[in-house]
Amino acid sequence: DTGVSQDPRHKITKRGQNVTFRCDPISEHNRLYWYRQTLGQGPEFLTYFQNEAQLEKSRLLSDRFSAERPKGSFSTLEIQRTEQGDSAMYLCASSPPTLGLAGDTQYFGPGTRLTVL
Amino acid sequence: QQPVQSPQAVILREGEDAVINCSSSKALYSVHWYRQKHGEAPVFLMILLKGGEQKGHEKISASFNEKKQQSSLYLTASQLSYSGTYFCGTEIGGANSKLTFGKGITLSVRP
Repeated sequence: DTGVSQDPRHKITKRGQNVTFRCDPISEHNRLYWYRQTLGQGPEFLTYFQNEAQLEKSRLLSDRFSAERPKGSFSTLEIQRTEQGDSAMYLCASSPPTLGLAGDTQYFGPGTRLTVL
Repeated sequence: QQPVQSPQAVILREGEDAVINCSSSKALYSVHWYRQKHGEAPVFLMILLKGGEQKGHEKISASFNEKKQQSSLYLTASQLSYSGTYFCGTEIGGANSKLTFGKGITLSVRP
């Protein structure tokens, strides 16, 4: 039983560059979530997908952020024109569609730590 | 609406007990508890559902007071491995919605 995987685990980039992260969910999960976490804070919701459909996107999410899940399996999160304030841990999670209903929950991947210089 | 967690930090000696809380200003459908160790991803501990059902993986108990819109996590006979930051994620408005996480509570267990 493989868990959620994320790639890369660490990314260092210069301000203004574009970066892309990948998330592979647990295979039988059709929901996929992206969160951002900064030091001393809980995971902050960015967006989520059910299959290939992006169902919700945080109002706090800048237009520089875009996420895709083209075939309903893996997902990518792209940040364009990175800024120093984008430095954070980017967490991906997956779940079955019945979150909470049948006692199901989200399972997190190891995260991608982004440092913008 | 982000849930409020209290206290902000807990320091225990091995074997002592602790209670940490999670409160919401909105009606909760479910509460999900996670523990995160430094540099690692959050790990699922327990889910509490409206109606009182609990489902967890570890020897940690919790309660869910729907009327008070609050959940508490009970850590008894704490072990060194319990150290970490505890987050509650709340599901508001019914099933199939996303989780909103609190800021977390740092718990340190000392020998």
